[in-house]
Formats: sequence, C-alpha cells, structure tokens
Amino acid sequence: GQQLNQSPQSMFIQEGEDVSMNCTSSSIFNTWLWYKQDPGEGPVLLIALYKAGELTSNGRLTAQFGITRKDSFLNISASIPSDVGIYFCAGQETSGSRLTFGEGTQLTVNP
Amino acid sequence: GAVVSQHPSWVICKSGTSVKIECRSLDFQATTMFWYRQFPKQSLMLMATSNEGSKATYEQGVEKDKFLINHASLTLSTLTVTSAHPEDSSFYICSAGASPYEQYFGPGTRLTVT
Repeated sequence: GQQLNQSPQSMFIQEGEDVSMNCTSSSIFNTWLWYKQDPGEGPVLLIALYKAGELTSNGRLTAQFGITRKDSFLNISASIPSDVGIYFCAGQETSGSRLTFGEGTQLTVNP
Repeated sequence: GAVVSQHPSWVICKSGTSVKIECRSLDFQATTMFWYRQFPKQSLMLMATSNEGSKATYEQGVEKDKFLINHASLTLSTLTVTSAHPEDSSFYICSAGASPYEQYFGPGTRLTVT
C-alpha cells in the first residue's frame, strides 16, 4: 500500500525560529493536505494543495506541492508557543477518496 | 464553515457492552464520511469509509461486525463498537468532505473500556 514518510519526527525549537517539515511518498497524489493536531483534539486543516508546483500560504504557514507529485513541505515562520502540536501531512489520490497520513511531526516551541 | 461534531467526546464503558459514537457535519452535507482510530503518539489509522445510503467500506483487518457503521443521512454517520474490550480503548475520529478535496475532522471521541 501507499506510504508517506514524514520528517522530522520531532523538533524542539526556540520561539521566533522558522520550522520546516516534509513528506515524501512512494506514489503520486493529486492533493496534499497539512493538518495540526492538539492533544485530545481532532486534526485541523491548515493548508490544502491541489496542483503540482503550487505554493500556498496561510499566515505564517507556507506549503508547497512537489513537482513530482510525490512530496510536499510545510514551513512555519517566526514560531510562537501556540504552534506546539503534531503536524500531519496527508495525501489524496483522487477527489473524495481516502487520505493517507504521514506519521506526524511533534513540534515543541520553547518560549 | 465546514464544522464536524462528534458525540460523545469521551465515554467509559464496561467490557462486553456496546458504545455508539455519532459524527455530524453541521453546516454542509457529506455523502462520504471516514472513521479513524488513533493510538497515543501514533498517526491516524483509517478504519472505514461510510457512504450515505450504502454499506460502509472497511479497511483490511477491521472487523465489520465489531465496528458497525451506519450513514443514516447526509449529515450523520454513527460508529458502534460492539462487545467492547479493553483493547478497543482508543481515540476515534471521524472526518467529512466539505468539498471533493478537503476533509474536515471532528474533535474525536476518547473511548475507555474497563
């Protein structure tokens, strides 16, 4: 089956630093989604990417859909304590189909 | 917009009993909803795809007779864990598609089986 490799598994950074995480896939996806999950909560959609090469921003977050359709990255600029959480990438083969999730990146921001 | 709710948010039940979890799309209709299970410090594992008006599609290894799914309307899907056992204790999360490309998740239900 499909696999998504997400890295790094965890990050410990100082407030104000920039963060980058990425996902790679063994197969092609037509949609990439990035989610953030706080403890005891469901994932919250941050950014959705629909086209290869697409670069999309949402405030301090920027994500890109890789040209090969097999990878995506998420950048967070000027991190703040409330950025703490687990970030998941997810790929979707076709519209409305199931999501394949990465293993998550645990982000810790030290004030 | 695109709000998904789940009820209950947490539940404790005794071994051998059944538990029903509801997933509702509050401001949109969803012909397809998804049910996930998540263990501590792990990613989300898809259990089944719930289709309005037809049978759910279960992932390999998920017992359909144990995890009953009913997609009664375009805004409601239910997951019933039958004859629950301690190993069924987990965080159950549903999602629904507000558009063909974006899925929104509910807040999750913490199930503890004693």
